[in-house]
Amino acid sequence: QKEVEQNSGPLSVPEGAIASLNCTYSDRGSQSFFWYRQYSGKSPELIMSIYSNGDKEDGRFTAQLNKASQYVSLLIRDSQPSDSATYLCAGSPSGGYNKLIFGAGTRLAVHP
Amino acid sequence: NAGVTQTPKFQVLKTGQSMTLQCAQDMNHNSMYWYRQDPGMGLRLIYYSASEGTTDKGEVPNGYNVSRLNKREFSLRLESAAPSQTSVYFCATTDRGNYGYTFGSGTRLTVV
Repeated sequence: QKEVEQNSGPLSVPEGAIASLNCTYSDRGSQSFFWYRQYSGKSPELIMSIYSNGDKEDGRFTAQLNKASQYVSLLIRDSQPSDSATYLCAGSPSGGYNKLIFGAGTRLAVHP
Repeated sequence: NAGVTQTPKFQVLKTGQSMTLQCAQDMNHNSMYWYRQDPGMGLRLIYYSASEGTTDKGEVPNGYNVSRLNKREFSLRLESAAPSQTSVYFCATTDRGNYGYTFGSGTRLTVV
């Protein structure tokens, strides 16, 4: 069974701090990884994608991928209360036709 | 430009009743997916359609059927609803897996 694992949280950080969200995956053949943000009662929204080892930055968000360790992370700099949401990590498994496997999500709470 | 439209948004069924969840996209995407989301379990794939005319089972297909009516529409049918099918159902689409998914707004289904 191919899996994506996340700590459910909640991860509580003060406003302005860096929030670090982590994810591990079991399928060593996975090539593409995604971070989705989901506000309560809403649908997931894609915020970052990463395909190669290393870092990818987009505004306040940085995604990091380490394929040797099968580890994906998302850093949110200068966290804002509006960043409070559940963050879903997803991977595209080997041999799967564009199918994504999702982690259960990490709930982030940014307090003023 | 509506993106991915799901209907209905809310539904309450009695055990044994049937219903069809509708999903339509105007993004000209080839691939469409049905996921269910339950607390603590993340998103689990029910069925998917890699392209018009094809459908395949995902991780949790039992109790469901699907129809890819045309390129735009992908419906999910519950023939005899059970309380275990109480969940939030999301339709998603993509043109290429590397680009991640676009989700519909979800259908919140309660089976009593």
